[in-house]
Amino acid sequence: DQQVKQNSPSLSVQEGRISILNCDYTNSMFDYFLWYKKYPAEGPTFLISISSIKDKNEDGRFTVFLNKSAKHLSLHIVPSQPGDSAVYFCAASGRNQGGKLIFGQGTELSVKP
Amino acid sequence: NAGVMQNPRHLVRRRGQEARLRCSPMKGHSHVYWYRQLPEEGLKFMVYLQKENIIDESGMPKERFSAEFPKEGPSILRIQQVVRGDSAAYFCASSPRTQSGEKLFFGSGTQLSVL
Repeated sequence: DQQVKQNSPSLSVQEGRISILNCDYTNSMFDYFLWYKKYPAEGPTFLISISSIKDKNEDGRFTVFLNKSAKHLSLHIVPSQPGDSAVYFCAASGRNQGGKLIFGQGTELSVKP
Repeated sequence: NAGVMQNPRHLVRRRGQEARLRCSPMKGHSHVYWYRQLPEEGLKFMVYLQKENIIDESGMPKERFSAEFPKEGPSILRIQQVVRGDSAAYFCASSPRTQSGEKLFFGSGTQLSVL
């Protein structure tokens, strides 16, 4: 039972263009969504999060959009840079669940110079 | 300020042996989480601990796996009588609080290989 899904295993984007990573979820009780970035042989690092009461959160080049009716969120990176090449994980947590996160399978982003 | 420290980075065990994975949380963090990542999959929650207490072990396999976070020293994830299916990357994370949306800080992981 995959509650958080990232249906694109990989994405390739040209440097300077926009990268859009997508994530779908099934549990309407999730109240926070987070994006983590992971380089090979390293642990995930936090990127950006959004509360379920919001529909957009922005931090520099990174913006997360939440569409609750569609149970869908997306991460936009603009402009994309080669250093953004990594695996991106979408994660969700339920109310009062704190650090107990449900992760998607990940999307490997490749930004080409 | 050191991050979350995990050791060893790589651990090779033969079937039937025991594996011990260690995690020292960030300074000031009293909440520790263990996650497992199987090949080509996302991270899966295993257990959440505070000092001397297991708070949520709903993701732990019922047998062979145990975790502790003693008053002194690192958190330990112990796998007894390992099998090939235990081969995975095991990540520890810590946080200063446990509220919704709390950002977790992950270690670099321990890659367990079972021969």
